[in-house]
Order: sequence, then C-alpha cells, then structure tokens
Amino acid sequence: QLQLQESGPGLVKPSETLSLTCTVSGGSISSRSNYWGWIRQPPGKGLEWIGTIYYSGSAYYNPSLKSRLTMSVDTSKNYFSLKVNSVTAADTAVYYCARQTVFGVITLPNAFDIWGRGTEVTVSS
Amino acid sequence: QSALAQVRSVSGSPGQSVTISCTGTNSDVGTYNYVSWYQHHPGKAPRLIIYDVDKRPSGVPNRFSGSKSGNAASLTISGLQAEDEADYYCCSYAGSYTVIFGGGTKLTVL
Repeated sequence: QLQLQESGPGLVKPSETLSLTCTVSGGSISSRSNYWGWIRQPPGKGLEWIGTIYYSGSAYYNPSLKSRLTMSVDTSKNYFSLKVNSVTAADTAVYYCARQTVFGVITLPNAFDIWGRGTEVTVSS
Repeated sequence: QSALAQVRSVSGSPGQSVTISCTGTNSDVGTYNYVSWYQHHPGKAPRLIIYDVDKRPSGVPNRFSGSKSGNAASLTISGLQAEDEADYYCCSYAGSYTVIFGGGTKLTVL
C-alpha cells in the first residue's frame, strides 16, 4: 500500500528557506499515472495548493507563491521535495504531500487520493 | 487565484441530509468536470471522498454524493452520522496544470 511521509525542520527563521521532503513507499514515484503535490494549512485557515510535480521533473506552482517555490523529484530515491524561499510568519502551516491522480489524454493533474500525515512548520526567530 | 467559495459552516442532526456548496468561476468549476471533495478531521490527513464531480473512491459510503451545475459544485451527505463531523473542502482543476481549493466548510452534527 502506497504511503507518503513528510520530513523536514519544524522551525525555520524568517527570511530563510523552508525545505521539506516527501518520501514515497510502497509504490514508484515514476508512475505515469500520477503527479505529486504539496498542500498546506495555516493555523485556523483552509487548505492551500502549493504546487505539483511529475516524475519527469516538470513542476507547476500556485501563482501566488510561484516566485518563492522550487520543487524537485529524485526518482532513484523515490522522493520529491519542496523549497520555499524568504519565508515569513505567513508560511507557518501544516504541510502535506499527496499523490495526485490524472485525467485526460495528455495526463493532467486531478484529485489528491493519498496523503501524508502532514508536518508542522513554524516560522519564527 | 481566489479560493473557491464555500459557506463557512453547516449543521444537521443525525439521520438528516446536508448539502455543502462550492462556487467557482468559468476558469475552474464551470469549465472542468474535475471537482473533488475532501473530508478533514483536525489533526488527521484529509481524505478524498468525491472525485470527478460525482465519483466515490473505493471505501467511501454511498451516503456521500457530488454534483455540479454551471460554476457551482455540491456535496450532499445523507443519513448524517456523528463521525461525519469534520471540515469539508472542494477542489477543482483550474487549467495550466493548477488546482484550487475552496475555503472549507465546517460540518457540525447536532
């Protein structure tokens, strides 16, 4: 059974870079039938899509965050990663990684069907 | 990208039905039949309960159903149970390989 596990520091200083990794087990990250996404939930707020990556390395970002984001994938180690630059308190959130299904002949990202348990990140000096 | 609009809270008694709406635009819900819904109990991972507007993943009770009309999608939960109390989020494909979530609806089972 496929599982995802987020990992990374729980505390990041303002203006620094937040780095998270999502390790995929029980299945291959190289599946052509899936994308891989990051979603976050700030305290007291709703879910926000951060970005999505395909095993090929093609990444797509939330326009409101795009300038500060970098996503990457390592197919040999079966994980994908997220970096958020120049963090502020507004980036404090629970960060989830998730598998996305696809739709369409050209395989577009669709629903998030398997989620990690989430990792809490606090931005504070 | 503005969040899809959801009412902040709904409530119902056990056994009743509730409907949660999700309003988007012609750039997302109105154009694509790729709306999904998630159940989120605080402190746990969100759970996919509806995808492609009205399809249920394996293991999701048929008490959960989805629909769409124009720019609005809906999630209906029939035969409410205590364990249905949670936050519910809609999500839609929004073009250019992006997706957008709704603001979330808190369901209270009275």
